[in-house]
Amino acid sequence: NAGVMQNPRHLVRRRGQEARLRCSPMKGHSHVYWYRQLPEEGLKFMVYLQKENIIDESGMPKERFSAEFPKEGPSILRIQQVVRGDSAAYFCASSQTSGSKETQYFGPGTRLLVL
Amino acid sequence: SQKIEQNSEALNIQEGKTATLTCNYTNYSPAYLQWYRQDPGRGPVFLLLIRENEKEKRKERLKVTFDTTLKQSLFHITASQPADSATYLCALPRDSSNTGKLIFGQGTTLQVKP
Repeated sequence: NAGVMQNPRHLVRRRGQEARLRCSPMKGHSHVYWYRQLPEEGLKFMVYLQKENIIDESGMPKERFSAEFPKEGPSILRIQQVVRGDSAAYFCASSQTSGSKETQYFGPGTRLLVL
Repeated sequence: SQKIEQNSEALNIQEGKTATLTCNYTNYSPAYLQWYRQDPGRGPVFLLLIRENEKEKRKERLKVTFDTTLKQSLFHITASQPADSATYLCALPRDSSNTGKLIFGQGTTLQVKP
């Protein structure tokens, strides 16, 4: 059973373009978390989703960023009109349920570079 | 809001010695605290979780302590090996909602020399 899958692993975009990051959680996991890691900084929570629902998007910028986790298919983090400051590693984690008893399993990340 | 402080300076130790990493938090005492390992270019890997009512947790060569009075967790790796070289992250619940959202420290990089 594969772990959390993210693609692409590396993404280069020019300013103003759209970036679309995909995350396939582990089999049987219905909770997905997205985090952003800037160079020399810790991971920052962005959004928490369950299937077809955004539970908490308080860590995500209000403009240009959106996330979804459809009934079928991977979770998508979309960044519209990217700017250089969006360059970072974006990690997705999944868990079977939520709460303190559940371990989050992280994917390998997508490294976004905005030129 | 909750803040986590980890020693940003790299920790260099000799193989076979015990590595001790520190995680301090500033606000409310969390229901649990987690430690992760992250290698360059990879995602974090979960190592250990310790709950607020637990003083100590062990897993093989790893030991974690949790002192809610000091607002501190210590992470120990005994008989360290070069393969233990990585960045170690401390993580806490982002809030009291118990929904699994985490905040992470910057991490401490450990270098074990043979």
